[in-house]
Amino acid sequence: KQEVTQIPAALSVPEGENLVLNCSFTDSAIYNLQWFRQDPGKGLTSLLLIQSSQREQTSGRLNASLDKSSGRSTLYIAASQPGDSATYLCAGMDSSYKLIFGSGTRLLVRP
Amino acid sequence: DGGITQSPKYLFRKEGQNVTLSCEQNLNHDAMYWYRQDPGQGLRLIYYSQIVNDFQKGDIAEGYSVSREKKESFPLTVTSAQKNPTAFYLCASSIDLTGIYNEQFFGPGTRLTVL
Repeated sequence: KQEVTQIPAALSVPEGENLVLNCSFTDSAIYNLQWFRQDPGKGLTSLLLIQSSQREQTSGRLNASLDKSSGRSTLYIAASQPGDSATYLCAGMDSSYKLIFGSGTRLLVRP
Repeated sequence: DGGITQSPKYLFRKEGQNVTLSCEQNLNHDAMYWYRQDPGQGLRLIYYSQIVNDFQKGDIAEGYSVSREKKESFPLTVTSAQKNPTAFYLCASSIDLTGIYNEQFFGPGTRLTVL
């Protein structure tokens, strides 16, 4: 059964710092991996989706990578800003086309 | 504007009551999903629907029911059989379930509290 883990649970960085959020999954047979952002009390905003055949995707200051062999994905945020403060969730799509979510990393970017 | 709407934003339920959460999308997506989120946790799948008049149980379907009579609507009923219904409920949709266009998009959520 697919399990997704995100470490650390919380992260605090000063503004301007580049940072990496980690996501690991137990079953390498995933169809895709999706990164989301969630602001307090809000729904999820899709940031990036990486198909299983891809290695990375980029959108603005965000870059997500996928390494199926090691069971890892990373979300790189360049030049972090206070507006980036939110919870970031990763989710892998398993062999039955269900998204399996990690519990998230809560990011605080300090001005 | 294209998107997913959920109503109400906040919902209070008394013990023994059934309540229905609304989810509507105008994205022309075939697949729709309901998730539950508890504090500090990831999302767990309750039900999903690949197409109109079809739906499947997710990982935590007990105490919940759904219908899919129209492509754009996927209401969720939380029944009195759900013993711990207080949570944040999120609806999502994707173009399809099994193809490559299965990126999921989410609504703003409904927070349900049992009094």
